Amino acid sequence: EVQLVESGGGLVQPGGSLRLSCAASGFTFSSYWMHWVRQAPGKGLVWVSRINSDGSSTSYADSVKGRFTISRDNAKNTLYLQMNSLRAEDTAVYYCARDYISWFDPWGQGTLVTVSS
Amino acid sequence: EIVLTQSPATLSLSPGERATLSCRASQSVSSYLAWYQQKPGQAPRLLIYDASNRATGIPARFSGSGSGTDFTLTISSLEPEDFAVYYCQQRSNWPKTFGQGTKLEIK
Repeated sequence: EVQLVESGGGLVQPGGSLRLSCAASGFTFSSYWMHWVRQAPGKGLVWVSRINSDGSSTSYADSVKGRFTISRDNAKNTLYLQMNSLRAEDTAVYYCARDYISWFDPWGQGTLVTVSS
Repeated sequence: EIVLTQSPATLSLSPGERATLSCRASQSVSSYLAWYQQKPGQAPRLLIYDASNRATGIPARFSGSGSGTDFTLTISSLEPEDFAVYYCQQRSNWPKTFGQGTKLEIK
């Protein structure tokens, strides 16, 4: 069974940092692009970042460019999102998702990041 | 950035009825549109991709149609488990964008 499990969320002060992880299992992780998508409380879905299969290419939404870094460790089947200079508007559930023929499938269960003083 | 507008915002129907949800793109996305279902407290699930292809394990009562700028998700006969929020998403241009969602609620 394909499974994605996020971790690392929590409460952080504005300006702080947090690193999210996404552990993958049930598929050949190193063969797939991966994404992070977030959802602010009660709001819709917003794509955040993507990384190609070997980690050599990344892209970001304008709202997080320069503050967030996506990376992966194919030996550990794990995706990461390093989030720096966090703002209140970064408060959201963060989902990792596999890139399935350019769509998001499946998704992890999400991890909540709250940025507040 | 391509803006996707979903309508209606909320749709109130009864089990057994037919649901029709719409998604309109601000510019052509060809057939590069997907639909996702999200239930409270759960992650989204891919239902339809490339406008009309059902994802693995999705019941036949779900169907998608459209191309260019206008798309439709149809649920032929609503089951109790279908009441959820539905999002459309395009992959024609970066960044990939989502519609704001349609909440399908029990009447």
